[in-house]
Amino acid sequence: AQSVTQLDSHVSVSEGTPVLLRCNYSSSYSPSLFWYVQHPNKGLQLLLKYTSAATLVKGINGFEAEFKKSETSFHLTKPSAHMSDAAEYFCVVSDIWEKLTFGTGTRLTIIP
Amino acid sequence: SQTIHQWPATLVQPVGSPLSLECTVEGTSNPNLYWYRQAAGRGLQLLFYSVGIGQISSEVPQNLSASRPQDRQFILSSKKLLLSDSGFYLCAWKVPRENMYNEQFFGPGTRLTVL
Repeated sequence: AQSVTQLDSHVSVSEGTPVLLRCNYSSSYSPSLFWYVQHPNKGLQLLLKYTSAATLVKGINGFEAEFKKSETSFHLTKPSAHMSDAAEYFCVVSDIWEKLTFGTGTRLTIIP
Repeated sequence: SQTIHQWPATLVQPVGSPLSLECTVEGTSNPNLYWYRQAAGRGLQLLFYSVGIGQISSEVPQNLSASRPQDRQFILSSKKLLLSDSGFYLCAWKVPRENMYNEQFFGPGTRLTVL
């Protein structure tokens, strides 16, 4: 069985400061990991994905995530927050049968 | 390029009424298709998935059903809605490959309110 834990349900940062959204996973296999973003009443957009090619993954809009097997973590970061980053973020793990397991989400608020 | 459509965008239905939500994908063939529900303040829950026409797998027992009458069409239905069916319904598609690193692409969603 696989699972995902997003450690913070809500994160607030000031505009221009770094963003850290934490995610820990559990998987019986070498996992496939994703971060998705959801703006209010919208579908989900892929930010980035871990494909085992590199542990540091760069995504869209300046986001990146680092896969740490020893810590079973896949935290999402951004050096400088922008107002448009305010949204809900989901960490997702995929198993070998291609089913996705979603975390409960982290709501990111940007303070002007 | 591939696109995914869902309609309606919003829906308000009385308890006990039927439901039909539609999802269509363009620009790809034989996609894997998925229905998810997102309840308020919670993550996404996989309801159904399909790897081909007429092939439906249910993930959770519930009041809903799904059908895939055409390759790129996925329909979510109910004969009698319950209050607990309220939520945000998302359809997604994926290129079926052995490589599990392929992501799912999501539609814009349908907001369903059951009164």
